[in-house]
Amino acid sequence: DTAVSQTPKYLVTQMGNDKSIKCEQNLGHDTMYWYKQDSKKFLKIMFSYNNKELIINETVPNRFSPKSPDKAHLNLHINSLELGDSAVYFCASSQQGQGIHYGYTFGSGTRLTVV
Amino acid sequence: GQNIDQPTEMTATEGAIVQINCTYQTSGFNGLFWYQQHAGEAPTFLSYNVLDGLEEKGRFSSFLSRSKGYSYLLLKELQMKDSASYLCAVGPPFSGGYNKLIFGAGTRLAVHP
Repeated sequence: DTAVSQTPKYLVTQMGNDKSIKCEQNLGHDTMYWYKQDSKKFLKIMFSYNNKELIINETVPNRFSPKSPDKAHLNLHINSLELGDSAVYFCASSQQGQGIHYGYTFGSGTRLTVV
Repeated sequence: GQNIDQPTEMTATEGAIVQINCTYQTSGFNGLFWYQQHAGEAPTFLSYNVLDGLEEKGRFSSFLSRSKGYSYLLLKELQMKDSASYLCAVGPPFSGGYNKLIFGAGTRLAVHP
């Protein structure tokens, strides 16, 4: 059983298209995240949801819109794709706790290539 | 501001010991993580330090000095499968109680025979 699963694993699309990436976790975690890893392998947070509520929204173009129908799912929709959106997008989840940082469990990533 | 520095690349020989350093400057601190990421795969958790000192876990150990803003990951008895990127990540103080992690750019380790 995969703990955090993302689909699709690979996505090749043309500039200007709209696409979605889906993420599901079966760990019972309350918090889910989207991270972007660029060509230099730098992982940068984009969004975080806790129990379906948006709690972290970094400086991301508004073409990116996350949606969390329930605490086990966090999807990412991207409008009007641009060449610079090409990257690997990782979904992650974690528990919450006061005074303790819990690490993340990552999905396997979605490699997005915009041509 | 937030800044995490690690060397970009390192090489080592199978069976040897390697130390990967990480320095950080963050506005507050609440724990430091090390993750391993093989090419084309997801990062996987290696270690977590919140107090000063050394945490040992099999062939891997992680050290933290909060006063110096410094950590290292020590890998012993290197194996070829240890060739991967090693990511240092810092948890800043909670923002509303949530676990935001800030990652360094990673250190790409190549182990050769």
